[in-house]
Formats: sequence, structure tokens, C-alpha cells
Amino acid sequence: KQEVTQIPAALSVPEGENLVLNCSFTDSAIYNLQWFRQDPGKGLTSLLLIQSSQREQTSGRLNASLDKSSGRSTLYIAASQPGDSATYLCAVLYTGNQFYFGTGTSLTVIP
Amino acid sequence: DAGITQSPRHKVTETGTPVTLRCHQTENHRYMYWYRQDPGHGLRLIHYSYGVKDTDKGEVSDGYSVSRSKTEDFLLTLESATSSQTSVYFCAISDPLDSLEQFFGPGTRLTVL
Repeated sequence: KQEVTQIPAALSVPEGENLVLNCSFTDSAIYNLQWFRQDPGKGLTSLLLIQSSQREQTSGRLNASLDKSSGRSTLYIAASQPGDSATYLCAVLYTGNQFYFGTGTSLTVIP
Repeated sequence: DAGITQSPRHKVTETGTPVTLRCHQTENHRYMYWYRQDPGHGLRLIHYSYGVKDTDKGEVSDGYSVSRSKTEDFLLTLESATSSQTSVYFCAISDPLDSLEQFFGPGTRLTVL
């Protein structure tokens, strides 16, 4: 069974701070890696997708990196805002078309 | 947002009754998935579909069956619901032409008493 780990499980930061969320995976033979945001009681919203041939992807204040050799991905959030408060999930896709999810990092941005 | 709807959005049922959850997409994506989300376990794959009438089991498929008779619809059936199947169920879609990026529906909260 493939393992995807997200540390820390919870993070609280003051508004305006830059922060990094971590995702690690056990098998480097991935097809792609996707970062999601989930608000309480809601579905998952796709933030960024990194394909195995890519090293990073950027969207606005978000930047995701991928290092397959070390089995790690990071999601960098610049100039955090209270509206960024949510749970962030990473999902790894291996060949075989099954995604494996981490249990998420719950982020609170304090005004 | 991707055009994915789930019905019902909430359901309360009793142990032993059959339950069917529906996922409908308007994106013409080839692949569809059913997940359950539980505290401490995260999202776990139940079943998925590569196309019409083409399905396969995921990590936690026991007690669940699926059917896909049309590209746009993917049904999840609990033949005889148990309390351990109380959960939030999410449908997702993806397509090889879109780098297999997954998009999720709003979820169905199921309570089995």
C-alpha cells in the first residue's frame, strides 16, 4: 500500500506570513501529484497539479514543488490571508490510475 | 468549477437497507471515482471507472458495488448498509486528455443508524 504523509497535521500562523506545507510519499515512480484545498463541510478544490516530468507549478500566491528522488512535495503559500484557512491535501497518482491521499494539514491564518 | 453533482446530499438510513448514491458530470471526462472520507483515515478509494461498463475495485470496496451505464453517471450502491458505512462520500472525475487532474463533487453525507 502506498503511503502519503503530510506534516504537520495542523498549523497556525499570523496573517501575512509565508508558509510551507509538506507532503512525502514512499514510491518515487509517480505519474503526477495534486494539491487540494478543502473547506469545512465542502468538497475538494484542485489547487495545483504537477506532472512527474515537472519540478514546480505556480498559481498566484501558491507554488508547488516536486522532488521525486526524495519523495517530497511542498506547497508554498506567500503572504497568507485569513481566507487561506482550510485543510490542504496532497494526492499522488501512480500508474494503475489510483490516487493516494494524505490526511491533510489544517491551516489557520490568524488576522 | 467542474460540472459534478451528487445526489442526495444528505441521507439517513437504517442498518440493512439498500442505498444508492448518484454522481453526475457534464464534463465528458472518461474516468470517475468514488471515495469515502473519515476522520483519521483521509480519503480512500472505493471503486473507479475507466469508461462505460468498465469499473474496478479500490482500497475499500467490500460492501459496495458500482455501475456506469452512461459516460455522465456513476452510481454507488450499498447493498445492505451497515453503521461502519456512515461517512462522507465524494465523487471525482478525471481525463487522460487533461493530465488526469481530479475534480471533486460536493459530497454526500450518509448516516446509517
